[in-house]
Amino acid sequence: GEQVEQRPPHLSVPEGDSAVIICTYTDSATAYFYWYKQEPGAGLQLLMSVFSNVDRKEEQGLTVLLNKKDKQLSLNLTAAHPGDSAVYFCAVSAGGADRLTFGKGTQLIIQP
Amino acid sequence: GGIITQTPKFLIGQEGQKLTLKCQQNFNHDTMYWYRQDSGKGLRLIYYSITENDLQKGDLSEGYDASREKKSSFSLTVTSAQKNEMAVFLCASSITDNQDTQYFGPGTRLLVL
Repeated sequence: GEQVEQRPPHLSVPEGDSAVIICTYTDSATAYFYWYKQEPGAGLQLLMSVFSNVDRKEEQGLTVLLNKKDKQLSLNLTAAHPGDSAVYFCAVSAGGADRLTFGKGTQLIIQP
Repeated sequence: GGIITQTPKFLIGQEGQKLTLKCQQNFNHDTMYWYRQDSGKGLRLIYYSITENDLQKGDLSEGYDASREKKSSFSLTVTSAQKNEMAVFLCASSITDNQDTQYFGPGTRLLVL
């Protein structure tokens, strides 16, 4: 079955810097890609979803890159601020009735 | 917009106890999910339901029961709580089960003494 490796597990960057989180998946049939944010004591908030026909998507300071050749998905937060501190999860699926497979999460800390 | 409500927010149980967690959504979504979140392990699917009275096993269904009493509610039962168990249970819903975006509730935090 699908395996998703997410790295790094912990990331600390100064305010104003960029932060990059990477997920690598194994199933070449994977077609749906998601990034979620989880703040302390809360559920998961959808940040962005990407279908496999998109290589790059930008929204509100976030950039998602999809490299299907290397089976890699990345999330880039530009000019990070303390409100970005949270746990971030990637999730992928092959589509149809296939269930989501989640990465193990990245704890991101933005230092003021 | 809609909202997913999970009750209780915190749950403390005893070893061997049967514990029930509840989830309500007002999105009018067909599909609902229960996930378990352990520190450093991501989310693992316990059960999901594609419509009222439907039940589908996920990867982690052993030790759990679930019930989709009506379209808006999905409950999860820990059949026998394990000592020192600590996890967050997250409920989610989506329009259908065909790759529609999943929306999550705030979670129930379980601690077993």
